[in-house]
Amino acid sequence: KAGVTQTPRYLIKTRGQQVTLSCSPISGHRSVSWYQQTPGQGLQFLFEYFSETQRNKGNFPGRFSGRQFSNSRSEMNVSTLELGDSALYLCASSYGLAGANIQYFGAGTRLSVL
Amino acid sequence: GQQLNQSPQSMFIQEGEDVSMNCTSSSIFNTWLWYKQDPGEGPVLLIALYKAGELTSNGRLTAQFGITRKDSFLNISASIPSDVGIYFCAGPDIGSARQLTFGSGTQLTVLP
Repeated sequence: KAGVTQTPRYLIKTRGQQVTLSCSPISGHRSVSWYQQTPGQGLQFLFEYFSETQRNKGNFPGRFSGRQFSNSRSEMNVSTLELGDSALYLCASSYGLAGANIQYFGAGTRLSVL
Repeated sequence: GQQLNQSPQSMFIQEGEDVSMNCTSSSIFNTWLWYKQDPGEGPVLLIALYKAGELTSNGRLTAQFGITRKDSFLNISASIPSDVGIYFCAGPDIGSARQLTFGSGTQLTVLP
């Protein structure tokens, strides 16, 4: 069974640009959660999507958004990039809602904002 | 939300030594998860604990769900070089059980 796939693995953008990251969950998993990981703040929850609906949202500005498609694949978008958005963005999938099910992580997308 | 305090922040040990790390919470958890993250990769689930007092092993790894439900421990026996990485504890937020809260991680370095 294939794991969680995130693309691209690396991205370099400049301030003010926008970026879209993609996540393909494990087959059969309907929940996709996104996390931001930085050395200073650790792993922070961004949002969770289940059955194409956002079910939960972390404490991030509106520049961070996402969506989920009918095949459970998810995309995350960050608009008007800031230097502080440089981070490893991780996607995790679970069979059911994240709070009650084990989450499996992808390898992440490393975003560098210059 | 809940806070998870993980300690130690980093450890340097000799190959073959045993390692112990722990995680404490200000509130009660119903599930404790331990993940390991290798450099440049996402976290990988090591052990999941579901009951207070539960002791679970996965090879050289052993984890325990504390009796008070506010803490958990991870032990690694006879460490080897591939044990290097960051170990995270995590659990679902008890208030809503809708998201995972992660500890700050323990960076483990194994010296040959």
